[in-house]
Amino acid sequence: GQNIDQPTEMTATEGAIVQINCTYQTSGFNGLFWYQQHAGEAPTFLSYNVLDGLEEKGRFSSFLSRSKGYSYLLLKELQMKDSASYLCAVPIPNRGSTLGRLYFGRGTQLTVWP
Amino acid sequence: DSGVTQTPKHLITATGQRVTLRCSPRSGDLSVYWYQQSLDQGLQFLIQYYNGEERAKGNILERFSAQQFPDLHSELNLSSLELGDSALYFCASSPGTGTDTQYFGPGTRLTVL
Repeated sequence: GQNIDQPTEMTATEGAIVQINCTYQTSGFNGLFWYQQHAGEAPTFLSYNVLDGLEEKGRFSSFLSRSKGYSYLLLKELQMKDSASYLCAVPIPNRGSTLGRLYFGRGTQLTVWP
Repeated sequence: DSGVTQTPKHLITATGQRVTLRCSPRSGDLSVYWYQQSLDQGLQFLIQYYNGEERAKGNILERFSAQQFPDLHSELNLSSLELGDSALYFCASSPGTGTDTQYFGPGTRLTVL
């Protein structure tokens, strides 16, 4: 089976740096996704990590440690528009797709204050 | 804009009724996924189609069914609706090969009164 743990809520100030942690247990690892979701809107893809280490993409970076079952999303130079839910997800492969369906954590609601 | 389209955006109906949600995947994507998001359950996988065939099922109720047509668009049918079916329903699509990242449509908000 799969299990994902993320903090429920976090707050930070505009311009600051915030790290959102995710721990996972899955039978067979096929990478880890991060999505951003504003209230009432679609999840939007942020990153996909399959190898250990840090991947940087502009203000957002994502880190993976496969041996520890741990990932984090690092958001720098926070802006008000970064207030959203951040979802950690692991794929579950099946016949007919490389990665298959996504198993999502409950998400971390980030509030950025001015 | 992810390139995935869903209609309608909002749907309000009564208990016991039947509705159909429609999804058009990104150009070239063969896999379509349906997810349900409610306040108390988070994002839950319902069902996946790949090039017209069902490939995986999640905790989808028997009252729910789906299909993917030859032009690759998909429909999710919800029948005998209950109050608890009120939720956001998202469709996502992916190539089915390579990195296989899923891109989500804007969702359909279903309200059952």
